[in-house]
Amino acid sequence: ETGVTQTPRHLVMGMTNKKSLKCEQHLGHNAMYWYKQSAKKPLELMFVYNFKEQTENNSVPSRFSPECPNSSHLFLHLHTLQPEDSALYLCASSRRAVNTEAFFGQGTRLTVV
Amino acid sequence: TQLLEQSPQFLSIQEGENLTVYCNSSSVFSSLQWYRQEPGEGPVLLVTVVTGGEVKKLKRLTFQFGDARKDSSLHITAAQPGDTGLYLCAGASGSNYKLTFGKGTLLTVNP
Repeated sequence: ETGVTQTPRHLVMGMTNKKSLKCEQHLGHNAMYWYKQSAKKPLELMFVYNFKEQTENNSVPSRFSPECPNSSHLFLHLHTLQPEDSALYLCASSRRAVNTEAFFGQGTRLTVV
Repeated sequence: TQLLEQSPQFLSIQEGENLTVYCNSSSVFSSLQWYRQEPGEGPVLLVTVVTGGEVKKLKRLTFQFGDARKDSSLHITAAQPGDTGLYLCAGASGSNYKLTFGKGTLLTVNP
């Protein structure tokens, strides 16, 4: 399998649940990202990891917790989310973290009920 | 704060027509990327432009980067239903981790 793979593709969770999104890249890239895509808004960068180290936390609420155990895997742990957190969550990777092209996964469509 | 304005927001045309969509900013970018996103999928990179005034062609798609590296355009010739999707532009700055995305142009090409 090649490219960037995200699981699950769809997720419905209650506000008291805890769930995790998974992302895996097979491109040999060193940087990985989480983006949030909501209707009528630009893609919002949430987190950046460069060589497994978090280099950006774009003022994201603590109910979103990222984890990057190695350069190929990225997780987003979710707990006590709000309905307004419902969105498409996109993982991306790039060769390096600065000024480079991003390769996106298919996204996880999250619905918080 | 760097902002990218894309226009038009929505565009619905008939197969065979030509179209141009725009990406404008008051900020200078070191490079600018165009992505296409189909429903239920992630964005797919189409092209990166780096040099002011640069023109790149990808089959029926022509991308241009403004001389001042603040704006870009995408022209599609003889559009086909397979061109349907959300076209996103994204600007990169030299020392910044962030790609700044526009809201996109949603293109529908009707058969």
